Order: sequence, then structure tokens, then C-alpha cells
Amino acid sequence: KAGVTQTPRYLIKTRGQQVTLSCSPISGHRSVSWYQQTPGQGLQFLFEYFSETQRNKGNFPGRFSGRQFSNSRSEMNVSTLELGDSALYLCASSYGTGSDQPQHFGDGTRLSIL
Amino acid sequence: SQELEQSPQSLIVQEGKNLTINCTSSKTLYGLYWYKQKYGEGLIFLMMLQKGGEEKSHEKITAKLDEKKQQSSLHITASQPSHAGIYLCGARRLVFGQGTRLTINP
Repeated sequence: KAGVTQTPRYLIKTRGQQVTLSCSPISGHRSVSWYQQTPGQGLQFLFEYFSETQRNKGNFPGRFSGRQFSNSRSEMNVSTLELGDSALYLCASSYGTGSDQPQHFGDGTRLSIL
Repeated sequence: SQELEQSPQSLIVQEGKNLTINCTSSKTLYGLYWYKQKYGEGLIFLMMLQKGGEEKSHEKITAKLDEKKQQSSLHITASQPSHAGIYLCGARRLVFGQGTRLTINP
């Protein structure tokens, strides 16, 4: 079974630009979550989608948005990029949203803002 | 909101030694996950603990959940270079500790 696939793996952007990251979950998984990981803040929850609906949202500004498609694939968009957005963005998938549903992570997209 | 605090933040041990990493929650723990991360890569799911007193093992890694102490511990026996990485605990699926960076010296 293929794991969680995130594209691209690396991305370099400049301030003010926007970026779209993609995540393909494990086949059969309907829940997708996004996280931002930085050395200073650790792993921070961005949002969670299940069956194309946003179920939870973390404490991030409106510049961060996401969506999920009918095939469970998900995209995350960040507009008006700031230097502080440089981070590893991780996507995780699971069958459902219950607490007994461990998440499986992709290798992430490393975003660098110049 | 729930917070998870891991200790120690970093750990350097000699190959073959045992070690323990702790994860303490600010609220009641109804379940806890342990993950391992190699630098710059995604998290690898290790174990899930759902009940107080539960203990699980995977190869030389054992994790326990103490609901009364709101704490979980991860113990590695006879550490090997392959154990090196960052260990993270997670609760309620969406909250994670800051991670413990483990270095194994040969």
C-alpha cells in the first residue's frame, strides 16, 4: 500500500507570493490533516478535513487555507507569504477522525521563503 | 487547550545503553501516540496507547500510559544507532509534544 504522498518536496518562494501544496492520502483514508513544523514552535496543527469538510482548524491566520477533494486528496494554500512561513509542512491521513485512529504522515514539503 | 511536555528535550546516550523519554499532559490523557521522525522527514507511527496502565512493545521500544499521572513513558532497551531521531508524543490526534532529539554514540 502506498503511503502518504506530498508534492513538491522542496519549494522556494519570495515574500508576497502564494503557494499550493498537495497531499495524496493512503488509499481508503478519508481524513487528512495538515501541520506546520518549525524548530521554534514544533509541530503545529493547521486544519483537518474529512469527506471534503473542514472538521477542525488550528490557530493560524486566514492566509492559510485548504480543501479536500472527493477522492480525499487535499491541497493547502498559503497566500501573501511571509518569511516566518518557512517551515516543513506535513500532511497526515487516517481512516477517520476518532481518537483511536492513528495518523500516517507524508515526508513533507519544505518551504523556504526568501 | 491540552499541552504535552516532553522530557528531556535532547538525549545523548552510548550505544547499548537503555533510555527513557517522558511525555506529560496538562489534561487527562484519553490516549496517546508515539512517533519517530528522522530529520527533515515525516513522522513514523510507533505505538498507540488507549487505556491507563496499558503497555506496548515494538522490537526494543516499550511505551506505557499512566492515566493518574497524566504521563506516558517511552523506554528503549540496548539502544542502537537506528534508534536515533526525534521522538514525539501526540494526544487527541492533533496535539503533539515538542519532541525529544535522541543521539546514539557508537
